[in-house]
Amino acid sequence: SAVISQKPSRDICQRGTSLTIQCQVDSQVTMMFWYRQQPGQSLTLIATANQGSEATYESGFVIDKFPISRPNLTFSTLTVSNMSPEDSSIYLCSVLHGGRQYFGPGTRLTVT
Amino acid sequence: GIQVEQSPPDLILQEGANSTLRCNFSDSVNNLQWFHQNPWGQLINLFYIPSGTKQNGRLSATTVATERYSLLYISSSQTTDSGVYFCAVEASNTGKLIFGQGTTLQVKP
Repeated sequence: SAVISQKPSRDICQRGTSLTIQCQVDSQVTMMFWYRQQPGQSLTLIATANQGSEATYESGFVIDKFPISRPNLTFSTLTVSNMSPEDSSIYLCSVLHGGRQYFGPGTRLTVT
Repeated sequence: GIQVEQSPPDLILQEGANSTLRCNFSDSVNNLQWFHQNPWGQLINLFYIPSGTKQNGRLSATTVATERYSLLYISSSQTTDSGVYFCAVEASNTGKLIFGQGTTLQVKP
């Protein structure tokens, strides 16, 4: 299995500001992903974080709003930019390891 | 794209009861996984089961890929089984998962 940590675990932010979420994995992994879970909803894939190249975004998500970095095979960051209350969600990173997907504990973001 | 439907959306059980959760998907998949999200939000990978049957303690899962459905069985339920159960599928070798809407399970003591 893979052990994943995320920082911060939660935050309350004002609209118009940005927050960067960090994801650290205890082993090198090729595939790393970022998901969003809006209140009471299921998970939606934001993007695939590619090491050494730009992230690949899903429909409805853009780089200007959710810039992602992946400097190495154990670390990634997701920034939520120019936040609005609609961005209040849990943001989770995940990795593919041995065919299975493992998730970090999530970052609970509240935008006021 | 692939559609993933889970049923029932909500389930309330008395401790000790058994239950079956269902996941239907609209197209061929090469990966299906079941997750449990506990009340604190942590997602735990229960099964990687693109086909066949697997068992892990009181939990077991069966996927019939040709008929495009998977079942998760919970036997002798405990209060700690409460939470949301998600089925997720991957259509191609991209690692990208498409999640169902989940089944919210409440086990009462």
